[in-house]
Amino acid sequence: GAVVSQHPSRVICKSGTSVKIECRSLDFQATTMFWYRQFPKQSLMLMATSNEGSKATYEQGVEKDKFLINHASLTLSTLTVTSAHPEDSSFYICSALGHATYEQYFGPGTRLTVT
Amino acid sequence: AQSVTQLDSQVPVFEEAPVELRCNYSSSVSVYLFWYVQYPNQGLQLLLKYLSGSTLVKGINGFEAEFNKSQTSFHLRKPSVHISDTAEYFCAVSVGTDKLIFGTGTRLQVFP
Repeated sequence: GAVVSQHPSRVICKSGTSVKIECRSLDFQATTMFWYRQFPKQSLMLMATSNEGSKATYEQGVEKDKFLINHASLTLSTLTVTSAHPEDSSFYICSALGHATYEQYFGPGTRLTVT
Repeated sequence: AQSVTQLDSQVPVFEEAPVELRCNYSSSVSVYLFWYVQYPNQGLQLLLKYLSGSTLVKGINGFEAEFNKSQTSFHLRKPSVHISDTAEYFCAVSVGTDKLIFGTGTRLQVFP
């Protein structure tokens, strides 16, 4: 149980285009999901906390107009990178908070490459 | 605010040897503690967690960790490592259901 999926696993896009990444909790409902960014050989940096039915809470320094987060249902959160640039290339990982376990279940990640 | 320190960026070890990955944290309130493992180009997998109770926590793949409140540490140990344990290991803390604060990670490299 407690499986989280991400789609796509890899995406290459041209500079200036937008890319949407989906995060789904497959066998449980998640009122809270998190989006992280990981640069090569570095730790995970929290970008935002996504709560179902409300606006996401962004960490300091993360542009909310560039990284659009939508959590429209209890099993799906999306991250849209708008007007992507090469410096947005990174590994994006989502997680979903399990109820009563205080544990975040992580997705497999999405490798974004902007050319 | 909370912070996590993993002093060892890399830990090389031979197969079947014991290993300890160090983690220290800083917090003015009680925290929950976690160890995650990440294999190349994959997400994170939970090894073990400490929420309350016994300070010695046993996790998957033969790993265990001990919570030491006085030393604000949560070191990860395994008595005998395998080649397949080669991966990146992250220590993390949270306050309740709040966000996870990660350490910088420790690369465990197991040699035959």
